[in-house]
Amino acid sequence: AQSVTQLGSHVSVSEGALVLLRCNYSSSVPPYLFWYVQYPNQGLQLLLKYTTGATLVKGINGFEAEFKKSETSFHLTKPSAHMSDAAEYFCAVSVSERTGKLIFGQGTTLQVKP
Amino acid sequence: DAGVIQSPRHEVTEMGQEVTLRCKPISGHNSLFWYRQTMMRGLELLIYFNNNVPIDDSGMPEDRFSAKMPNASFSTLKIQPSEPRDSAVYFCASSLSDSPLHFGNGTRLTVT
Repeated sequence: AQSVTQLGSHVSVSEGALVLLRCNYSSSVPPYLFWYVQYPNQGLQLLLKYTTGATLVKGINGFEAEFKKSETSFHLTKPSAHMSDAAEYFCAVSVSERTGKLIFGQGTTLQVKP
Repeated sequence: DAGVIQSPRHEVTEMGQEVTLRCKPISGHNSLFWYRQTMMRGLELLIYFNNNVPIDDSGMPEDRFSAKMPNASFSTLKIQPSEPRDSAVYFCASSLSDSPLHFGNGTRLTVT
């Protein structure tokens, strides 16, 4: 069975500071991992995904994530936060990249202070 | 590309009433998913269709919930009778093969 744990329901950073959102997963099979972002009153938008191959994945809006199998982690980072990054972020795991049968974490709300 | 279109955006109804949520997937997408988002349980997959056929409905909470996809461009999620604990944001999403999920903006359901 798969599961996802996001550490920290709320993260606050100053504009220009490093963003680090933590995600740990549990999977009995090689995982496919995703990060989604949700802006207020909108649906979820894919930021990036890891399937196979390179463990450092680059996504949209300057975000990237690194798959670390030994740590069962897939943390999301961005070197410099922008006010527009304020949103809720979801980590998700799937048994296959070909399905939308995703198991989501509980989400992390990112606040960016001026 | 109009994206995934859900209607209504907001629905307020009284307990016991029937509620129907609607979804138009992106044209050409062959998979459609219904998710529910609540504060307590987060995002949960309710059911998904592939080529209009329900593949996995194990997430449907109980018999009061039903979903249909009569054709490739339309799906409904029905709750009958509705209960206050059904209050949530319901998302529809669609995809094509191994492409990422495209989510609609959701329907916020309030059952009083």
